[in-house]
Amino acid sequence: GAVVSQHPSWVICKSGTSVKIECRSLDFQATTMFWYRQFPKQSLMLMATSNEGSKATYEQGVEKDKFLINHASLTLSTLTVTSAHPEDSSFYICSARGGRGQETQYFGPGTRLLVL
Amino acid sequence: TQLLEQSPQFLSIQEGENLTVYCNSSSVFSSLQWYRQEPGEGPVLLVTVVTGGEVKKLKRLTFQFGDARKDSSLHITAAQPGDTGLYLCAGDAMGGNTGKLIFGQGTTLQVKP
Repeated sequence: GAVVSQHPSWVICKSGTSVKIECRSLDFQATTMFWYRQFPKQSLMLMATSNEGSKATYEQGVEKDKFLINHASLTLSTLTVTSAHPEDSSFYICSARGGRGQETQYFGPGTRLLVL
Repeated sequence: TQLLEQSPQFLSIQEGENLTVYCNSSSVFSSLQWYRQEPGEGPVLLVTVVTGGEVKKLKRLTFQFGDARKDSSLHITAAQPGDTGLYLCAGDAMGGNTGKLIFGQGTTLQVKP
């Protein structure tokens, strides 16, 4: 199956700093990438959808100015958590899928963020 | 927006037992997916069911899509410790194929040797 990678796999940062998480599709072109957040013992919640070359669309309740998403190429999307606070500590997971006819989504391994 | 209710949320059984996990909704889905997630990892797709009434088998796992495409079930026969993990059902949030997935609450399965 297709491979999606995330970097870093885990990060610890101080409150107030910004953290960038990368999501890469390694063997296919991802026209659409999705960002999810998962709190401990909970399910995945969709945060935003990013399409290559256009602005991301955010789900209700997700602050677009806090979670900056860039999808500059068909193989890379980045999520930047700006001015991170302890409540932003979570497991961030991206997924990617190709264009028309390629409906299967492939998930990355996730990035564990801990804000102190 | 569609909603998915998954049950049970926790299940602890002995090796060799059978179990069924349910995923229900009042809305129609074009398809439903089942994932398995290990701690600290992303979810891995097990199966996608598309046709109402469809039954798919993956070794000891049997997946069924309801006739009305509003519900699905996962049945595991003779569970093994290696089946331990978080099982998630998911469907398109808008009922179609936008790719925006909503997930059920998840079922944490523990199989004791």
